[in-house]
Amino acid sequence: DTEVTQTPKHLVMGMTNKKSLKCEQHMGHRAMYWYKQKAKKPPELMFVYSYEKLSINESVPSRFSPECPNSSLLNLHLHALQPEDSALYLCASSQVVSGANVLTFGAGSRLTVL
Amino acid sequence: AQSVTQLGSHVSVSEGALVLLRCNYSSSVPPYLFWYVQYPNQGLQLLLKYTSAATLVKGINGFEAEFKKSETSFHLTKPSAHMSDAAEYFCAVTRGGGYQKVTFGIGTKLQVIP
Repeated sequence: DTEVTQTPKHLVMGMTNKKSLKCEQHMGHRAMYWYKQKAKKPPELMFVYSYEKLSINESVPSRFSPECPNSSLLNLHLHALQPEDSALYLCASSQVVSGANVLTFGAGSRLTVL
Repeated sequence: AQSVTQLGSHVSVSEGALVLLRCNYSSSVPPYLFWYVQYPNQGLQLLLKYTSAATLVKGINGFEAEFKKSETSFHLTKPSAHMSDAAEYFCAVTRGGGYQKVTFGIGTKLQVIP
């Protein structure tokens, strides 16, 4: 299995809702990531988990709350979002190959905040 | 800190013509460099990576890139463009030493004209 699976593919939510994005990988990778991508922009790093511990938080607002229940799963809990949070949210996992941190991405969850 | 600059946010080529997408890097340490491709409404897929083993790197779908330290460049090429190559291409850089942050360029949208 060489895939990163993200659910749901599409999510529409109001500003008062609570929802979660889910990500799963079975490649044995020990690092997992959340990226946010706005239209016509590159992915922007939000969070990194390595060995199930949060290792990088790129000053993301607290309305985004990551969780890593085990080495295969990564969640992003969403609460009280703003319309400007509408974006494609990409999950990735990685392994170090010849010294390089190589990311494998999921297909993304497209979030629309009304 | 590491960064990459992609010259040309849009590149148009005729089908069968040479594809050249430019990327220059800035790094205070030996860099690890990548090219990723993103098709509409999908995640990013790794095309190739440079890990210092060889300066000319061959990737998937007939793409290759050459690392030139003297020019701080890592340009992506393909001898003959195919319609299916139309996509967004991202150059990325990281440093060695485990699960380091991967930083992406702004992306280059490749259009292939029949």
